[in-house]
This record gives sequence, structure tokens and C-alpha cells, in this order.
Amino acid sequence: AQSVTQLGSHVSVSEGALVLLRCNYSSSVPPYLFWYVQYPNQGLQLLLKYTTGATLVKGINGFEAEFKKSETSFHLTKPSAHMSDAAEYFCAVSHNTDKLIFGTGTRLQVFP
Amino acid sequence: GAVVSQHPSRVICKSGTSVKIECRSLDFQATTMFWYRQFPKKSLMLMATSNEGSKATYEQGVEKDKFLINHASLTLSTLTVTSAHPEDSSFYICSAEDTPNQPQHFGDGTRLSIL
Repeated sequence: AQSVTQLGSHVSVSEGALVLLRCNYSSSVPPYLFWYVQYPNQGLQLLLKYTTGATLVKGINGFEAEFKKSETSFHLTKPSAHMSDAAEYFCAVSHNTDKLIFGTGTRLQVFP
Repeated sequence: GAVVSQHPSRVICKSGTSVKIECRSLDFQATTMFWYRQFPKKSLMLMATSNEGSKATYEQGVEKDKFLINHASLTLSTLTVTSAHPEDSSFYICSAEDTPNQPQHFGDGTRLSIL
């Protein structure tokens, strides 16, 4: 069975500050890992994904995430937050790309 | 990039009404589409996997007679909430695969409100 835990349902940062959204996963098979962003009343947009290969994954809008097998983590980071980054972020795990298991989400607030 | 269109974006109807939600892949063929339900301030819950030309595969706990899924073509899947009640009010999101083992593309969701 697979599961995802996102620590912190709310994260607040100042504009220009580092963004760190935490995601830990549980999987009995090599995982595929994803980060999605959701703006109000919209669907999900893929930020980045890890399947195999390089463990540091770069995505859109300056986000990146690092797969750490030893820590079963896939934390999302961005060096400098923008106001436009304010949204809900979901981490997801899959054993391929079909059945996605989502975390409970982290709402990111960015203050000027 | 690949676009998934979901319609309607919002629907309000009376209890007992059946509501159909459409999910279309606009610029690619999707043999597999997925339907999710999102409760307020909660994560997405996979309801069912829709396969073109065959019956949908429902997740445990999802009533197949309540949530009818039809995937009649490679670009269209529909979710019909039959005899909807207030507890069916939710945000429903579809997604589609354009290539096996590639990330899903999500629609913008449908906000369903049952009075």
C-alpha cells in the first residue's frame, strides 16, 4: 500500500523567502512522486515529477524537489517566494502514473 | 500542452436531480480518464478509473450505481451523479492520460451544490 503525508496544512512565508513544503511517502515498491498546485476553484497543475534517474527534480515556476529514499521524503522547495505562488500544493505517490494517492495538501500563503 | 476540459464548472440543483459532468481531452486521445472528488479543505479522493469502451473501475466505497461513468469515446468521459442529495455536494475533478506512464492532465473541476 502507498500513502503520503504532508506535514503542515498551512505554511506562511514572506515574499522573497525560501519556500519549503514537506512530503513523506510510504511505498512497498519504487515510487513515482509528484507535486501538483491547485489555485482556487481550479483543477491541478503538475509542478514536477520523479520517476527514475536524477533525484533532484526541477519543475515549473522555479520549484524543485529532491527524492531522498533513505528519508522517504520528497520535499518541495523554491528559493524565493512570489505572491503568485500562493495556492494549495499536493504531493502524490504512485507505483506508475495511473492511480495517484494524494496527500492532504498544504496551503501556501505569501505575505508582502 | 495537453488540455482537459471539464463542463460545467459549477452546477446548483435540487435534491433528487441527476447531474452529468463531462470531461473532454481537447488535443489528445485518452484511453484512460480518472474521476476524483475533493471535499472542502481535503485532498483528492480517486473515485474511479474510466477506460474507453469498457466498464469503469470503482474504488472501494464508491457506489457505482450512484456515480455512473461512461467513456464512450477516446476524448470524452462523463460522470453522472444520480438522484443527487446534499451530501453529494463536492468538487469533482477529472484527469486524463495522453500517454501511458506519463502524468495525468487535470480538468478545472466542477463545483456541485445540491440544495
